[in-house]
Amino acid sequence: DVKVTQSSRYLVKRTGEKVFLECVQDMDHENMFWYRQDPGLGLRLIYFSYDVKMKEKGDIPEGYSVSREKKERFSLILESASTNQTSMYLCASRRGSRTQYFGPGTRLTVL
Amino acid sequence: AQSVTQPDIHITVSEGASLELRCNYSYGATPYLFWYVQSPGQGLQLLLKYFSGDTLVQGIKGFEAEFKRSQSSFNLRKPSVHWSDAAEYFCAVGAPGGSYIPTFGRGTSLIVHP
Repeated sequence: DVKVTQSSRYLVKRTGEKVFLECVQDMDHENMFWYRQDPGLGLRLIYFSYDVKMKEKGDIPEGYSVSREKKERFSLILESASTNQTSMYLCASRRGSRTQYFGPGTRLTVL
Repeated sequence: AQSVTQPDIHITVSEGASLELRCNYSYGATPYLFWYVQSPGQGLQLLLKYFSGDTLVQGIKGFEAEFKRSQSSFNLRKPSVHWSDAAEYFCAVGAPGGSYIPTFGRGTSLIVHP
């Protein structure tokens, strides 16, 4: 079974802090994704990566950056957290164009 | 561009009743289609998928979905709902091509009454 893990289930940070969300997959998938999920808005794509050190902006990249130094790990970075970044963050991975597999999510609260 | 519509934001059913969740998509060719389920505070779990072939697909937890090209639909069904099926359900459309980004519907929240 594919396993996608995220470093934290719940995270509380202060406004202005730098925040790192880590995602690791164990199936050698080349594609990895970061989404945020908010009530009524569904899943919105922040960034995706189709290979090591490669990244593409999604629909809402402002205020975020990403890093992919190794194939299995995809990090989402909030350079200076703001209260409007309070959300559920979901990581996913995929081989080719087939099924995305999701991690359990990180519920981030920015105070 | 592709799009996915889940017309029902909330659906309430009684335990033991049948269920159908609607999904309509817009895409120029035959898409890849997915249904995911999300329990509260959890990530998304794949229920079933359609890539090609038989238009009636079986998934986990007793769910099935039927791809109807003429109606651009991929509705999810279950003959008898259990209380544990209460969750958020997402339909998604994808396509061949490694860089293709799937589009998700906004979700349907299923409430199950005892």
